[in-house]
Amino acid sequence: SQQGEEDPQALSIQEGENATMNCSYKTSINNLQWYRQNSGRGLVHLILIRSNEREKHSGRLRVTLDTSKKSSSLLITASRAADTASYFCATEDNFGNEKLTFGTGTRLTIIP
Amino acid sequence: DAMVIQNPRYQVTQFGKPVTLSCSQTLNHNVMYWYQQKSSQAPKLLFHYYDKDFNNEADTPDNFQSRRPNTSFCFLDIRSPGLGDAAMYLCATSRYSGETQYFGPGTRLLVL
Repeated sequence: SQQGEEDPQALSIQEGENATMNCSYKTSINNLQWYRQNSGRGLVHLILIRSNEREKHSGRLRVTLDTSKKSSSLLITASRAADTASYFCATEDNFGNEKLTFGTGTRLTIIP
Repeated sequence: DAMVIQNPRYQVTQFGKPVTLSCSQTLNHNVMYWYQQKSSQAPKLLFHYYDKDFNNEADTPDNFQSRRPNTSFCFLDIRSPGLGDAAMYLCATSRYSGETQYFGPGTRLLVL
């Protein structure tokens, strides 16, 4: 299965601290995406990083991609209570099958 | 605002009673996806349409069918829901395959 694994499965930090989540996957990819899901809601796209990119920033988010290790990390700086959610990575492989495969997710809790 | 809309947000059905979930989009995207998400799990792709081309995942049960009568609408039909089909059903769209996906808020299905 191409499904990625995310680490840790759950993370609790104090508001203001930085949160780092990791994602590993198994096959060659075209791009890797991160999504956030608030409890009982749909997913919201955060950032997309292509296979030829190594780092990308968006506001308080920083994503890195290491294709040699088949891994990615998502860093959220200066966390806020509103960042409490589940975070999923998703990969588009380069086999031409037109779909994303989601990882298992990290449940992030920000303690006020 | 352009968006992905799912109706209803909550659906209760009886064991074996057919149910239809609907999704509409104002983004004019080519691709529409249906995912099943069970509690604390990753979204699992059931099938997707690229325009009128239907792509079924190999492990999607025959009990699940889909229709896309036009660009804007896509339906998920569950012919004979079982207790194991209780889940959140997420619709998503993307302009092209492998790009950012835009999710609706989901329909939570309860099977009694």
